[in-house]
Amino acid sequence: DTGVSQDPRHKITKRGQNVTFRCDPISEHNRLYWYRQTLGQGPEFLTYFQNEAQLEKSRLLSDRFSAERPKGSFSTLEIQRTEQGDSAMYLCASSPNTVNYGYTFGSGTRLTVV
Amino acid sequence: GNSVTQMEGPVTLSEEAFLTINCTYTATGYPSLFWYVQYPGEGLQLLLKATKADDKGSNKGFEATYRKETTSFHLEKGSVQVSDSAVYFCALSDPSPLVFGKGTRLSVIA
Repeated sequence: DTGVSQDPRHKITKRGQNVTFRCDPISEHNRLYWYRQTLGQGPEFLTYFQNEAQLEKSRLLSDRFSAERPKGSFSTLEIQRTEQGDSAMYLCASSPNTVNYGYTFGSGTRLTVV
Repeated sequence: GNSVTQMEGPVTLSEEAFLTINCTYTATGYPSLFWYVQYPGEGLQLLLKATKADDKGSNKGFEATYRKETTSFHLEKGSVQVSDSAVYFCALSDPSPLVFGKGTRLSVIA
């Protein structure tokens, strides 16, 4: 297993466009998390899945954001009608079904909205 | 709500100096505590963890002890190297998902 993979690594989009990011977790991990990180800040939680069920969403996650994890494997995060404030690094992480194990993070997708 | 407060950076040290990065937390229950490290151009990596009071996590010469009485989880290393230059994040889980501090940037100069 090659760890958590995220695609693309970088995305530049025009304001108002929709973007979609993909995350492939470690195959035996049934929990998957999305975080957002801006410059000089720690990662901020967005949402997480246990298998295919979305168990929690942060109030940071506006109506323009949606995440899915069909079949409990890979996950997608879509941002509709992007705004300049959406520019950030979007991080995906996975873990087994016990948080004490710690998370394995991907390298992230850097989004720039121009 | 749950939160983590880390000392402000950046921290600049000479090689072989002693390192302490302070971390305190607020939690409603009995959290697990973690330190993550982010090297330049790389993703977050788990450095060490402690799951209950008085536990000591250790890895790569770094240590942190879970102090419930002071709600702290300070990161220490006896002798830093240039390769330790990175951003360090303290985090808690009570029980999930992880809540991170803002990070402390460490620069070690030869």
